[in-house]
Amino acid sequence: GENVEQHPSTLSVQEGDSAVIKCTYSDSASNYFPWYKQELGKRPQLIIDIRSNVGEKKDQRIAVTLNKTAKHFSLHITETQPEDSAVYFCAASGGNTPLVFGKGTRLSVIA
Amino acid sequence: NAGVMQNPRHLVRRRGQEARLRCSPMKGHSHVYWYRQLPEEGLKFMVYLQKENIIDESGMPKERFSAEFPKEGPSILRIQQVVRGDSAAYFCASSPAGGQSGEAFFGQGTRLTVV
Repeated sequence: GENVEQHPSTLSVQEGDSAVIKCTYSDSASNYFPWYKQELGKRPQLIIDIRSNVGEKKDQRIAVTLNKTAKHFSLHITETQPEDSAVYFCAASGGNTPLVFGKGTRLSVIA
Repeated sequence: NAGVMQNPRHLVRRRGQEARLRCSPMKGHSHVYWYRQLPEEGLKFMVYLQKENIIDESGMPKERFSAEFPKEGPSILRIQQVVRGDSAAYFCASSPAGGQSGEAFFGQGTRLTVV
């Protein structure tokens, strides 16, 4: 089955700097890669996703890149703000399979 | 659109009791997924259901845990004879279709505490 690895597990950045979180996956059949943000005590919320027919997708300060050959994808957050502080999860799925999640990255943005 | 609804939000059970968690998917969504999250940890897949069908239960413990998604009504995750190790947040997600076709949206979770 699919296995998703996520790095780093914790990340601290100064406000205004960029943050990058990286994930790798094992199943070459996976073709859908969402990212979720989870604030303390709350539900995971979908913030951006990418499908395998696209190499990069951007939404304001958030971008995701996908390298299918290398089986890795990354989340980029620019001009970080304190409200970006949360746990971020990557995930992968393909065909009719459920999402498999990475273990999460705790991002702290220091004002 | 009320989103994915889970209840109860918090559930306290004594060891040996049964816990019953409910999930109503978003309107128009026919696929439901249950995940378990331990404190400071990630989301572990448990089971994937469509109406009246279990599609993938590879993440479900072999004993005491069961799930259903009947033709009418919410999806139910049932834990029999709960133990302290069952204490966790249980999240339900729904999507309009499986895997690649639809984004999955999460409910607010049920936080189960076994005392």
